[in-house]
Amino acid sequence: SQQGEEDPQALSIQEGENATMNCSYKTSINNLQWYRQNSGRGLVHLILIRSNEREKHSGRLRVTLDTSKKSSSLLITASRAADTASYFCATDVEGGSEKLVFGKGTKLTVNP
Amino acid sequence: DTEVTQTPKHLVMGMTNKKSLKCEQHMGHRAMYWYKQKAKKPPELMFVYSYEKLSINESVPSRFSPECPNSSLLNLHLHALQPEDSALYLCASSRPPGGPYNEQFFGPGTRLTVL
Repeated sequence: SQQGEEDPQALSIQEGENATMNCSYKTSINNLQWYRQNSGRGLVHLILIRSNEREKHSGRLRVTLDTSKKSSSLLITASRAADTASYFCATDVEGGSEKLVFGKGTKLTVNP
Repeated sequence: DTEVTQTPKHLVMGMTNKKSLKCEQHMGHRAMYWYKQKAKKPPELMFVYSYEKLSINESVPSRFSPECPNSSLLNLHLHALQPEDSALYLCASSRPPGGPYNEQFFGPGTRLTVL
């Protein structure tokens, strides 16, 4: 079953612009992760934010987490054509299960 | 070695065939996963192996049979599949389960077509 819901479903921007994707989830979590998937390929882990963290940075990525609203956002700054991909949030289940539940994903297109 | 490898990359099979998908990692991870992903959809968990034991089966039909021969290898045996089973099958691994940092490392996937 899907826990995360991303919006928008699709986003098209120009190179150099910032891209913001949002994720909402339903149950309590230990952490929330963001993954990227290039077309037809495996997923690549981008960043993990723990439930007691509010913001995390990694290079051009900024992730926020609001556990009171059960939502997270992923900001990609100064986007590049190579950032074109689908982005998924994934949540675990509080209690330490190894199971991850992925959201529906946002398809990002960065136009040169 | 921080890579998860999967073979074959592509597989076409008939509904009466028996085939196997293979996955390998040498990162010392003790949790391994099979996911199924249909086009424009997120990955859906099928199975989880934890310390070489099946810990999660997401009510997957018995025509899919997982096997974990050792801590580095994961197989998915396929038999009597249906055309709707055509999908990208992804393998992943992660550090010992139960911890708070269950980042998963994914392989490139096997694109399966069932005729």
